Formats: sequence, C-alpha cells, structure tokens
Amino acid sequence: EAQVTQNPRYLITVTGKKLTVTCSQNMNHEYMSWYRQDPGLGLRQIYYSMNVEVTDKGDVPEGYKVSRKEKRNFPLILESPSPNQTSLYFCASSFGQFNGYTFGSGTRLTVV
Amino acid sequence: TQLLEQSPQFLSIQEGENLTVYCNSSSVFSSLQWYRQEPGEGPVLLVTVVTGGEVKKLKRLTFQFGDARKDSSLHITAAQPGDTGLYLCAGAGGGGSYIPTFGRGTSLIVHP
Repeated sequence: EAQVTQNPRYLITVTGKKLTVTCSQNMNHEYMSWYRQDPGLGLRQIYYSMNVEVTDKGDVPEGYKVSRKEKRNFPLILESPSPNQTSLYFCASSFGQFNGYTFGSGTRLTVV
Repeated sequence: TQLLEQSPQFLSIQEGENLTVYCNSSSVFSSLQWYRQEPGEGPVLLVTVVTGGEVKKLKRLTFQFGDARKDSSLHITAAQPGDTGLYLCAGAGGGGSYIPTFGRGTSLIVHP
C-alpha cells in the first residue's frame, strides 16, 4: 500500500531533550515536506526537500532540523524542544512540485 | 509565502443541503489542490486542478479552478454526514515559488 509512515504517533517530552520524528514513504517520491498544524493557524511548512541531500526552509524552520540522506526517509529533528513546539506534525510526499501531497497520519507532540 | 483565503471558516448544515466553499488568492497558481481532513488524521488529497476554468467532479463534489488561476471553489451537492471534516485548499507555483501554500480550511459539519 502506498503510504507515508510517521513515528511516533504521540510523544510527550520535556524541554531541552532532543528528539527525532521519523518519516518514510514507499512511493519513490522526490518531494517531501514537514508541516505543523496549530488551531487557528492552519498548516505551516517547516522544511521541504526536492531530492536526496537537497533541503530548504519553509515558513517556520526555527528550532527544527531535517536531513535527506535517502530518498524514502525524511526525519525531523528537534535539538532542544520548547513548549511552543507543542503541535500536530505531518510529513508529506509528492512526485512533483505541482502535484498533491500524500500525508502521514501525524505525530502529536507535547513539550512540557 | 502567498496567502490563500478560505471562506467560510465554519459551516454547519443539515443532511441534503448544498454548499460551496471558496479559496481565493491574489497570486496566480500553477496548480491547486483540495484536501479533506478528519480529526487526528492527515489531510487526504481529493483533487488537483491545473488549467484555468477547469471543472472536475468527484461523485457529489464539484471543483472549479478560476479562469485566472487565482481562485477555486468546491461545491457539494446533497451533503451527507460522511462529508463532515476540514476542507483545505493548497496552491503550488504561486509567484514563482514552488513551496505549496495551504489555506486555513473550512470546517464542515453535516447533521443527520
């Protein structure tokens, strides 16, 4: 089944403790993105990647890092999480920049 | 990042009614997508439109891309409770940027 898999689905952590949210897609898509979704603010792009080793900042990149060492994986790294990073996070992939995205099921992160 | 305005923000209707949701921007987009999102899940792509004036139908849903490729509408005929969800539009290729922009969504509730 074609899908984007994120892990974990739920995560509660403490301020400052580094964490990684994994994302993997099995569709051989070149484009991958990370979004956060907050009430009243909608979906905001954090980082995106056009291909292996090619990444760029989205609208809200502060406090996040990404890497794209393989085509299928696009992990999101929070080096020192803070409470304002509490949010619902989505990874998504697409085969073309003007095509729609396939989204993962989301990771609900709480930073206390 | 180009702004996509969706209206209305909230919509609560009875089963069987018709409704239209709008997505407007001052930017021209190369393509525009509509997604539906259920609580706690990732958005699911419904349709992509790329040609000005294009109309696409998906069962009781009709999508139209404006002639100038700056706006789009989603019309649902005879809404059903299963249509309940958050409807998001997203534009790609606006203003020369390939970063997709999402509207904040229209939350639809269809009462039995």
